[in-house]
Amino acid sequence: GAVVSQHPSWVICKSGTSVKIECRSLDFQATTMFWYRQFPKQSLMLMATSNEGSKATYEQGVEKDKFLINHASLTLSTLTVTSAHPEDSSFYICSASRAFFGQGTRLTVV
Amino acid sequence: DAKTTQPPSMDCAEGRAANLPCNHSTISGNEYVYWYRQIHSQGPQYIIHGLKNNETNEMASLIITEDRKSSTLILPHATLRDTAVYYCIVRANSGGSNYKLTFGKGTLLTVNP
Repeated sequence: GAVVSQHPSWVICKSGTSVKIECRSLDFQATTMFWYRQFPKQSLMLMATSNEGSKATYEQGVEKDKFLINHASLTLSTLTVTSAHPEDSSFYICSASRAFFGQGTRLTVV
Repeated sequence: DAKTTQPPSMDCAEGRAANLPCNHSTISGNEYVYWYRQIHSQGPQYIIHGLKNNETNEMASLIITEDRKSSTLILPHATLRDTAVYYCIVRANSGGSNYKLTFGKGTLLTVNP
């Protein structure tokens, strides 16, 4: 069946650096992908909708200049957390369609 | 999207059926009921969805009341690996597969040996 692959599974970075997370749809084309964030013991919160070939749509309260989204092809969307700070430490999850989610990326900023 | 209400936690004995309830009293006629689960530190997994008829697949059964104001997800023979947070989401089906989901707090199902 269709699979969404997310990479890396976990990453530790220093405060002030940038981190890129990749989300790939392996055997289907995804014109739209979604990025969620999940803090410990909380539910998933939608951050943004990634649209192939156009600008991402961000949810209220999500800084578009801090969370850069690129969806340059029908199989790849990337989320870059720029100038990361400890409060950005979270579990980031992508999805392509209603049925398929990536395995998530655990980001820890130290 | 209609709001859903789920118990925060439930326990179930291994091998027994797990029945997870969900209230969605403000559901609209064109909204489907979707169930997902999230095992600790993993991405969510789609389980099943339905509009008004009961549905069954290899993972679970979905029972929707006649007035569609509530539903129950049934795992017929729960295993330890079914321990997870289960999310009930109601969402209009736009006809395409790409649309965002609004996750509530879900139900933490703990399957005990």
